[in-house]
Amino acid sequence: GQNIDQPTEMTATEGAIVQINCTYQTSGFNGLFWYQQHAGEAPTFLSYNVLDGLEEKGRFSSFLSRSKGYSYLLLKELQMKDSASYLCAVRDEDSGTYKYIFGTGTRLKVLA
Amino acid sequence: ETGVTQTPRHLVMGMTNKKSLKCEQHLGHNAMYWYKQSAKKPLELMFVYSLEERVENNSVPSRFSPECPNSSHLFLHLHTLQPEDSALYLCASSQYSSGGTEAFFGQGTRLTVV
Repeated sequence: GQNIDQPTEMTATEGAIVQINCTYQTSGFNGLFWYQQHAGEAPTFLSYNVLDGLEEKGRFSSFLSRSKGYSYLLLKELQMKDSASYLCAVRDEDSGTYKYIFGTGTRLKVLA
Repeated sequence: ETGVTQTPRHLVMGMTNKKSLKCEQHLGHNAMYWYKQSAKKPLELMFVYSLEERVENNSVPSRFSPECPNSSHLFLHLHTLQPEDSALYLCASSQYSSGGTEAFFGQGTRLTVV
């Protein structure tokens, strides 16, 4: 079956660093994605990993270990505007069908 | 226009009404998706279309009926809905291939069934 787990909520301070973890189980792994979603808005793409290792994009980095079924999103120099939900998603291939499977999301609160 | 556009943004309907949600993408993608987002639950995949052909129907009740007339447009026809169907309905598009790209989302339709 398919399963994606991530913490429900996290709190951090402005200027700090926060790491949001994600573990997954899927049969046809075809990439892992992180999205940011502000309340009442559409999810927006942050990062993509398909090979093991770290991908860095400005203040945001994402790591993947396929053997462990594990990823994390690292946010540096936190800003108030980073308060949002962060969704971990796996692109799964099953008999030629590609689906994006999402976790419940981690609601991040950034405090002044 | 660019990206993925959904209309209407908000919809209130009675349980006996019939309404349709519309999604349009201007990204040249060949796959489109409908997701349902309820509070404290993960995004639930409802339907996947690739090249206008439905390739996935995730055990969605028949009161939800999708339509994909071409690769740029996707509809979700609604009839005799239940209050528990109230949710944010998100449309997304992507390239459907092993190369894998991110899915792009529309702003969603906030549906309330009364």
